[in-house]
Amino acid sequence: DAGVIQSPRHEVTEMGQEVTLRCKPISGHDYLFWYRQTMMRGLELLIYFNNNVPIDDSGMPEDRFSAKMPNASFSTLKIQPSEPRDSAVYFCASSFLRGRETQYFGPGTRLLVL
Amino acid sequence: EDQVTQSPEALRLQEGESSSLNCSYTVSGLRGLFWYRQDPGKGPEFLFTLYSAGEEKEKERLKATLTKKESFLHITAPKPEDSATYLCAVPSGGSNYKLTFGKGTLLTVNP
Repeated sequence: DAGVIQSPRHEVTEMGQEVTLRCKPISGHDYLFWYRQTMMRGLELLIYFNNNVPIDDSGMPEDRFSAKMPNASFSTLKIQPSEPRDSAVYFCASSFLRGRETQYFGPGTRLLVL
Repeated sequence: EDQVTQSPEALRLQEGESSSLNCSYTVSGLRGLFWYRQDPGKGPEFLFTLYSAGEEKEKERLKATLTKKESFLHITAPKPEDSATYLCAVPSGGSNYKLTFGKGTLLTVNP
């Protein structure tokens, strides 16, 4: 299996621009998670989906952030407009019910907002 | 509020020098404790899940143990390739899937 796939791996943008991060979960997994990692705050859960439905978005920092999962094999995390404080590494992870809570992480997208 | 605290923040060992990493947690109704390893520039890689006090799990030079308030990751005779950041996490907020992570311990093993 290819594992969780994320794109792009690196993104540099200017403040105010829209940023879209993409994730392809492991085939057969029915949970998908978006995390953000910074030195100051560590790894934080932003939102997670079950069977393409958002279950908990309480970690989404503000309305500038939105996430969608149009089908079982694709999800996006969008930031509009982006701000320098959004600079971080964003991870996508997936899991399946029979595997209980074990989450498998992608390689991450390193975002720098100038 | 559920919290996970890891110590030390950084640990430097000589190859072969055994030690332990600590993860203490405050959560109502523990539904598991997870250990992950993260290499620079990569996503966290799953190591262990522990579900009840007294449980132990081993993988190569690593052994994870769990008590009612904390977990330890014991590293026996480490090698340079064990150098990484080790993260622990607990399910929180009433969900088995909503993980709260500690900030990790950066382990460096010198040859």
